[in-house]
Amino acid sequence: AQSVSQHNHHVILSEAASLELGCNYSYGGTVNLFWYVQYPGQHLQLLLKYFSGDPLVKGIKGFEAEFIKSKFSFNLRKPSVQWSDTAEYFCAVMHSGTYKYIFGTGTRLKVLA
Amino acid sequence: ETGVTQTPRHLVMGMTNKKSLKCEQHLGHNAMYWYKQSAKKPLELMFVYNFKEQTENNSVPSRFSPECPNSSHLFLHLHTLQPEDSALYLCASSQVSGYNEQFFGPGTRLTVL
Repeated sequence: AQSVSQHNHHVILSEAASLELGCNYSYGGTVNLFWYVQYPGQHLQLLLKYFSGDPLVKGIKGFEAEFIKSKFSFNLRKPSVQWSDTAEYFCAVMHSGTYKYIFGTGTRLKVLA
Repeated sequence: ETGVTQTPRHLVMGMTNKKSLKCEQHLGHNAMYWYKQSAKKPLELMFVYNFKEQTENNSVPSRFSPECPNSSHLFLHLHTLQPEDSALYLCASSQVSGYNEQFFGPGTRLTVL
């Protein structure tokens, strides 16, 4: 069965530290890839997405992600985190041509001021 | 109202009660989804409606009964629930074709006593 793995369940960083959250998926076909963020008490919001083209995707709030097809990965990065980035981050994969997401378990990020 | 709204935001019910969750999308989308978000588990897709027709039932117990009267409204009728059904229930919508990212509502926090 297709699956999405987020290996880091909890991450604690100090402000200004660099962030990289891992996301790997098991599907071998063409995929669309997403990172969503859920701030405390708020709904899931799209951070960035990859459909085609440049594998390095830039999203909102200084986040970026790189699609590496050979590694089935779509890792999320930010060079310098802020306290306001404290949230839960979800990776999702959609098989191209469908409209169904498969989500990872999420990574809870806490940034210390 | 903009985006995807859900009511109620919080619900506490007994195992013998009958209640309904409501979702409304103001984005002109033609697909709507119900997800279950439990702690330490990936978001679980429950139901998918495409142009008001149910196209996916992800092995959800019959005590959950969805209804989609039109492309803008989605309900989840609940009856005879179990305590393990306590979770955050999320509604989402998207276009079926094209760049079909999903937009999420704030969720209903359900507690079954």
